[in-house]
Amino acid sequence: DIQMTQSPSSLSASVGDRVTITCRASEGIVNYLAWFQQKPGKAPKSLIYAASSLHSGVPSRFSGSGGGTHFTLTISSLQPEDFATYYCQQYKSYPFTFGPGTKVDIK
Amino acid sequence: EVQLLESGGGLVQPGGSLRLSCAASGFTFRNYVMSWVRQAPGKGLEWISGISESGGNTYYLDSVKGRFTISRDNSKNTLFLQMTSLTAEDTAVYYCAKFVWGEDFDHWGQGTLVAVSS
Repeated sequence: DIQMTQSPSSLSASVGDRVTITCRASEGIVNYLAWFQQKPGKAPKSLIYAASSLHSGVPSRFSGSGGGTHFTLTISSLQPEDFATYYCQQYKSYPFTFGPGTKVDIK
Repeated sequence: EVQLLESGGGLVQPGGSLRLSCAASGFTFRNYVMSWVRQAPGKGLEWISGISESGGNTYYLDSVKGRFTISRDNSKNTLFLQMTSLTAEDTAVYYCAKFVWGEDFDHWGQGTLVAVSS
């Protein structure tokens, strides 16, 4: 199975900050990498697919990059509604696997 | 508008069984791969099972293989997860998710809680 890791596991930031989260795969996954946002008590929301493509309706302050085994999610200017937990996930092969999550909270 | 509505969760004793359903609407259900993803209390997301468009191919996480069965009824636009031999480690919110080739999951249900306890 492909293992996914994320760093950091949590971070504190202020509104307006630029935030970067890193995701690594245990083997190459080309660009079969997605990012999700989840708020407490809510279902995950799909943000990015194919490492860098935004789902419809996702604000442009979110961006993704990377390929192979190393990927990043960047929020260019953190907004109050962005405080949440973020997960990466590979969909190159079954079983699909998620990273452990990165919690972004208010400094 | 795409909607996925899970049901069937509840409290079950260890060793018991439960059948989850996910009613889909707003898209041509038979054309899409579907999956179940769960989240234990306070933990991260865990993909557990997927099924092809026709239902002819199914996929499972090792920890549920042989205990859980995914299926679908394309005539009723419904996805199912039959769960047996449940243990406390299966306690989680279970989400169904719509998969788009090349785009991964694009829509999620609101989840249904399964609690395994005596």
